[in-house]
Amino acid sequence: RKEVEQDPGPFNVPEGATVAFNCTYSNSASQSFFWYRQDCRKEPKLLMSVYSSGNEDGRFTAQLNRASQYISLLIRDSKLSDSATYLCVVPSGGSYIPTFGRGTSLIVHP
Amino acid sequence: GAGVSQSPRYKVAKRGQDVALRCDPISGHVSLFWYQQALGQGPEFLTYFQNEAQLDKSGLPSDRFFAERPEGSVSTLKIQRTQQEDSAVYLCASSFQTPGGEQYFGPGTRLTVT
Repeated sequence: RKEVEQDPGPFNVPEGATVAFNCTYSNSASQSFFWYRQDCRKEPKLLMSVYSSGNEDGRFTAQLNRASQYISLLIRDSKLSDSATYLCVVPSGGSYIPTFGRGTSLIVHP
Repeated sequence: GAGVSQSPRYKVAKRGQDVALRCDPISGHVSLFWYQQALGQGPEFLTYFQNEAQLDKSGLPSDRFFAERPEGSVSTLKIQRTQQEDSAVYLCASSFQTPGGEQYFGPGTRLTVT
């Protein structure tokens, strides 16, 4: 099993829809988690940190489920500009090196 | 600028050539990471520095890959005798904290080996 797994999608949704992605991880000792957004041919940019209590920022909500070892990202009222690849990051191994999932592609259409 | 910068942005190398990729992190950031990203994949960890110390190089794919950060700021990733499979985007990221913190990425160097 890979350390960090994501459904690559693409998730194709209309404007205004609510969409959710999950990311599963295998290292139960991981403490901090992140979601990054990557636009085509650009570098990843931090979207949200995910701590034990979860996190909400406007239309975006990130949750952590330790028992099942996954994090989720919920996007409400999708905008065309939300179209991108969403990468989850889980610190892994003894030195907590950031390990990226392969990303989930989101396409929001009119 | 205040962000992470990388140079060159694009590099075309003939197979067998050596290349050097530069990363200039955000001033004051302790941690520096190198990643390799193939098309359609997430960034794959290559190596990690805390200041000038290379604490983890477990992701370097072969002994042709070498990285350094001699003064704890600018870092160079060197690839010797490039192969076609080395073609990828090489991303550098820096972080104020030790690993596990938020990272800030440079724009990447797109390497094409012909």
